[in-house]
Amino acid sequence: DAGVIQSPRHEVTEMGQEVTLRCKPISGHNSLFWYRQTMMRGLELLIYFNNNVPIDDSGMPEDRFSAKMPNASFSTLKIQPSEPRDSAVYFCASRQDRGNSPLHFGNGTRLTVT
Amino acid sequence: SQQGEEDPQALSIQEGENATMNCSYKTSINNLQWYRQNSGRGLVHLILIRSNEREKHSGRLRVTLDTSKKSSSLLITASRAADTASYFCVPSNTGRRALTFGSGTRLQVQP
Repeated sequence: DAGVIQSPRHEVTEMGQEVTLRCKPISGHNSLFWYRQTMMRGLELLIYFNNNVPIDDSGMPEDRFSAKMPNASFSTLKIQPSEPRDSAVYFCASRQDRGNSPLHFGNGTRLTVT
Repeated sequence: SQQGEEDPQALSIQEGENATMNCSYKTSINNLQWYRQNSGRGLVHLILIRSNEREKHSGRLRVTLDTSKKSSSLLITASRAADTASYFCVPSNTGRRALTFGSGTRLQVQP
């Protein structure tokens, strides 16, 4: 299995631009999570999906952030418009929603907004 | 919140020494998980210990759990430079899908 795949690996953009981060979860996993990691705030849960349905988006910082999961093998996190304070590493993770199955993380997208 | 608090925040040891990291939490749990994060990478699941277990081993890892004290420890024996990473404990209930993470322990193993 290729694991959780995120793209792009790095993104540098100017303030005000739209940014789209992509994630392909592990096949067969039915829960997907978006996290954001910064030095100041650590690892924050932004939103998670179960069976492609958003369950909890209380961690999404502002309306500028939106996430979709159109099917079981793809999810996007969009920031529009982006701001310098959005600079962070964004991780996607997936798991089988069964028992104590662990989270599997992608290697993240490092976003820099100038 | 259901989040672990790791202690110490940072730990520096020599290769070959043992590393012990501690975790405290506040809520009742079904299990507790430990994750590792190497620099520039995503988190990797290391080990899970259930609430009815007191100790669990996996290779050079030894995890303990004391539910009466709401605490856990992770021991890495005979550490290697490759163990340099951040380590996170995550208390969890089976019924709760989302996991939240604390600040972790940053372990530096000097070669």
